[in-house]
Amino acid sequence: KAGVTQTPRYLIKTRGQQVTLSCSPISGHRSVSWYQQTPGQGLQFLFEYFSETQRNKGNFPGRFSGRQFSNSRSEMNVSTLELGDSALYLCASSFGTSTHTQYFGPGTRLTVL
Amino acid sequence: AQTVTQSQPEMSVQEAETVTLSCTYDTSESNYYLFWYKQPPSRQMILVIRQEAYKQQNATENRFSVNFQKAAKSFSLKISDSQLGDTAMYFCAFWANSKLTFGKGITLSVRP
Repeated sequence: KAGVTQTPRYLIKTRGQQVTLSCSPISGHRSVSWYQQTPGQGLQFLFEYFSETQRNKGNFPGRFSGRQFSNSRSEMNVSTLELGDSALYLCASSFGTSTHTQYFGPGTRLTVL
Repeated sequence: AQTVTQSQPEMSVQEAETVTLSCTYDTSESNYYLFWYKQPPSRQMILVIRQEAYKQQNATENRFSVNFQKAAKSFSLKISDSQLGDTAMYFCAFWANSKLTFGKGITLSVRP
């Protein structure tokens, strides 16, 4: 079975721009979660989607948003980019929203200049 | 809210020896799971082992085992017969209410 895939792997943007990251879960998995990893804050939960609905949200500003499609693929969008948004963004999938074991993709490295 | 604490920022171990990584957590949840994830330099987060909180028996996966002390809210990872490929950052994580809460991580270096 193919693992979680994320595209693109690397992105460079400038302040004020917006960016969209994509995540394809493991086949059969319907829940997708997003995490931000920075040296200062570590790994922080952004949000979780299941059946095209946001089920859980972390403590991030409204500039961070996401959505999930009927095929369980998910996208994450960050608008009005700030320097502090530079991070590794990790996507994880699990079978269901109450399924505890999450499998991670390779991440998207976002650099904001 | 739950918190996960990994107090040791880094550790080093000789190849073939055993090392234990510490983790404590705090929660008021009764239904939760605990995990150790490994993140090598490639940055790919890899599941190492998981523990159901309702199970008293400690989980084991080949060279990896945990010491789960529920009353003390402690969840340590023991790596036996350390290998060079074990060099990575290790994260302790707590799952409840559909989200993972991670510790700050510990950098483990395995010396040849």
